[in-house]
Amino acid sequence: DGGITQSPKYLFRKEGQNVTLSCEQNLNHDAMYWYRQDPGQGLRLIYYSQIVNDFQKGDIAEGYSVSREKKESFPLTVTSAQKNPTAFYLCASSIRTGSLSSSYNEQFFGPGTRLTVL
Amino acid sequence: DQQVKQNSPSLSVQEGRISILNCDYTNSMFDYFLWYKKYPAEGPTFLISISSIKDKNEDGRFTVFLNKSAKHLSLHIVPSQPGDSAVYFCAASGTGSARQLTFGSGTQLTVLP
Repeated sequence: DGGITQSPKYLFRKEGQNVTLSCEQNLNHDAMYWYRQDPGQGLRLIYYSQIVNDFQKGDIAEGYSVSREKKESFPLTVTSAQKNPTAFYLCASSIRTGSLSSSYNEQFFGPGTRLTVL
Repeated sequence: DQQVKQNSPSLSVQEGRISILNCDYTNSMFDYFLWYKKYPAEGPTFLISISSIKDKNEDGRFTVFLNKSAKHLSLHIVPSQPGDSAVYFCAASGTGSARQLTFGSGTQLTVLP
């Protein structure tokens, strides 16, 4: 079955520690995204990647880092510099659109990882 | 500055009746709009979308209406079912090369049996 997996579902870390969240997809999608969701708020874009070995900052990239060494994988590291890391993190992927004439950018989401920093 | 707004954080509807969820946007460069449905502790799932060249798109019980002049879209669910109870997010896509999505804050729909 094709899909997006995120692991683990729940993660606890002590303040000051870096932590890496996993995201894997077997949909053969070029583009991948990381969002965070806080209570009562929408999804905010952290980082995105359109192709392997390339990624761009989203709206709230400070305190986070990513890598895209393989098409299938887009791990997110929450560093100690992130001031408020406790949140629900969602990974998504989509077919690369590229062209301005592309009609849409439907993104498929993973189940999410709930990170709690103690 | 929120470019996509869902002003109603919650909505309760009786089973069998119509649910109408609203969304407003400010960026006139948005040209594609999507609705996602999300259950607690799960990722959002795509529901329905509409291009800016259309004013209506229908898929079964779900219909999305777009009013470009008012920069407003709405999702209609008819008839509403208890399984429709979830948070609904409106999202908009612009013409940037990455075509990132900008999400609203969501509306919690509760369908009462």
